[in-house]
Amino acid sequence: GAVVSQHPSRVICKSGTSVKIECRSLDFQATTMFWYRQFPKQSLMLMATSNEGSKATYEQGVEKDKFLINHASLTLSTLTVTSAHPEDSSFYICSASATGYEQFFGPGTRLTVL
Amino acid sequence: AQSVTQLGSHVSVSEGALVLLRCNYSSSVPPYLFWYVQYPNQGLQLLLKYTTGATLVKGINGFEAEFKKSETSFHLTKPSAHMSDAAEYFCAVRGNQGGKLIFGQGTELSVKP
Repeated sequence: GAVVSQHPSRVICKSGTSVKIECRSLDFQATTMFWYRQFPKQSLMLMATSNEGSKATYEQGVEKDKFLINHASLTLSTLTVTSAHPEDSSFYICSASATGYEQFFGPGTRLTVL
Repeated sequence: AQSVTQLGSHVSVSEGALVLLRCNYSSSVPPYLFWYVQYPNQGLQLLLKYTTGATLVKGINGFEAEFKKSETSFHLTKPSAHMSDAAEYFCAVRGNQGGKLIFGQGTELSVKP
């Protein structure tokens, strides 16, 4: 149980385009989802926390208009990187929580912006 | 505020040797502590967690960790390393705001044949 999927696993896009990443909890209802960014050889950096049906809460320094988060249902959250640029290239990981005490992580999405 | 410090960004052991990955935390509330493992280009997998109760926690793949309040530590151990244990390991403490996790910097474990 407690499986979280992400789609796509890899995406390559041109600079200036937008990219959407989906995060799904497959066998449980996630009241809260988290989006992280991870640079090579570094730890996870929390970008935002989203609760179903409400606006996401962004961490300090994360651009809300750049990284759009939608948590439309208890099993789906999306992260849209708008007008992507090479510096947005990174590994994006989502996690989902039903209880607020434990997070289950997706497999990650590798974004490369050319 | 909560924080996590992992001592040693890289640990190398021989196959069959003891694995010890160090984690110290600070927390203003009773901590919930976690160890995760990450293989290259993958997400995080939970190894074990401490919430309340028994301070020695057993996890998957033969790992265990002991919560020591007096030392504010939650070190991860495994008696005998296997080649498949080579990965990145993250210690984390649950924050007191909305279930956020505060991660340590990570420790890369290498296992030599």
